Amino acid sequence: QKEVEQNSGPLSVPEGAIASLNCTYSDRGSQSFFWYRQYSGKSPELIMSIYSNGDKEDGRFTAQLNKASQYVSLLIRDSQPSDSATYLCAVNMGTGTASKLTFGTGTRLQVTL
Amino acid sequence: KAGVTQTPRYLIKTRGQQVTLSCSPISGHRSVSWYQQTPGQGLQFLFEYFSETQRNKGNFPGRFSGRQFSNSRSEMNVSTLELGDSALYLCASTAEGNGELFFGEGSRLTVL
Repeated sequence: QKEVEQNSGPLSVPEGAIASLNCTYSDRGSQSFFWYRQYSGKSPELIMSIYSNGDKEDGRFTAQLNKASQYVSLLIRDSQPSDSATYLCAVNMGTGTASKLTFGTGTRLQVTL
Repeated sequence: KAGVTQTPRYLIKTRGQQVTLSCSPISGHRSVSWYQQTPGQGLQFLFEYFSETQRNKGNFPGRFSGRQFSNSRSEMNVSTLELGDSALYLCASTAEGNGELFFGEGSRLTVL
């Protein structure tokens, strides 16, 4: 069983719609959760971090965390073609240092015109 | 503020050789971690250094090693290269070792 699971996609949404990306994790002791965006041929960049249950909003992005159900999600409102990328869910599973992240394999998002 | 700098960006080696990759973190960042990215396995944690000490290590063989210098610059070394070591090697830095990582552009290693 993979420790961090994401649907590989592609997830295709029309421009202006809401994109919903989901991630589940196996370790109940996980403390911190991150969403990274990776454009093709580029390195990952952090877009959201979330540490406690509930929602966290930053511009068009909302991260949602439910530790009881062991899932974290990312909503992208008013999706733009520039949002087309692979979104990586990353979890610090409470072992080792906080920089030791376990990544999902990513969900590829395509925003269509 | 300059970002994370990795060198070289691309390199080609043959099986059995060794390789050294370099990473300069963002100024002021003391934590440097290394990840391997492959199409099949995704991003996998190699190790993390903080103030010249290895704080954690992933599940990679001993052929993979690293170090950090007093100026926080880090190097990783892979000895006795195998075909399966072909990957993008990403270095990331953070100020206090939390998971909010800033990645470099990576070093793409091809082993022939």
